[in-house]
Amino acid sequence: EPEVTQTPSHQVTQMGQEVILRCVPISNHLYFYWYRQILGQKVEFLVSFYNNEISEKSEIFDDQFSVERPDGSNFTLKIRSTKLEDSAMYFCASTLSGNEQYFGPGTRLTVT
Amino acid sequence: GIQVEQSPPDLILQEGANSTLRCNFSDSVNNLQWFHQNPWGQLINLFYIPSGTKQNGRLSATTVATERYSLLYISSSQTTDSGVYFCAVNSGGYQKVTFGTGTKLQVIP
Repeated sequence: EPEVTQTPSHQVTQMGQEVILRCVPISNHLYFYWYRQILGQKVEFLVSFYNNEISEKSEIFDDQFSVERPDGSNFTLKIRSTKLEDSAMYFCASTLSGNEQYFGPGTRLTVT
Repeated sequence: GIQVEQSPPDLILQEGANSTLRCNFSDSVNNLQWFHQNPWGQLINLFYIPSGTKQNGRLSATTVATERYSLLYISSSQTTDSGVYFCAVNSGGYQKVTFGTGTKLQVIP
């Protein structure tokens, strides 16, 4: 069964460094998303991406964040200058038609 | 935005017991999903259920969209059912999914 994959599974970085989280959505899907979950809290929407542009973003998704689909398979989330409060689990998701979303296993980001 | 509340927030069950988890939402929804977050943090799709009833083994779910709630039933619980259960919805023209507050389930032997 096709699945969403994410790399790395765990990333440790120092405050102020740039990080890129990578996702490979399900191959025929058209809509892509990033969510985050701070430890012990609920999952929060960050951004949705369709037709090579951002279609919706939350207040969390400020100028420090950017997304890109650099080729036909990868979908990336970049954080330009990480802060301690960026420590969280980041989930990528994709969907074919905007209905059921399929989530990847997540990348745990630890900012020290 | 839409509010999604789940109850109970915490639940401890003896292995073999049955349980019902509830998800209430404040507005009409286009889509509704139930997830199980395992101890490793992974979100496992359980059901896509914007309306009606579905069953998958020991789990079943019912969504009554007109009354703005969904229920997840777990029968004959096992220790591997432990984790956090989330419902997640989207509404209106929004693609983003709004997650509920979660129910933390612990099944003890």
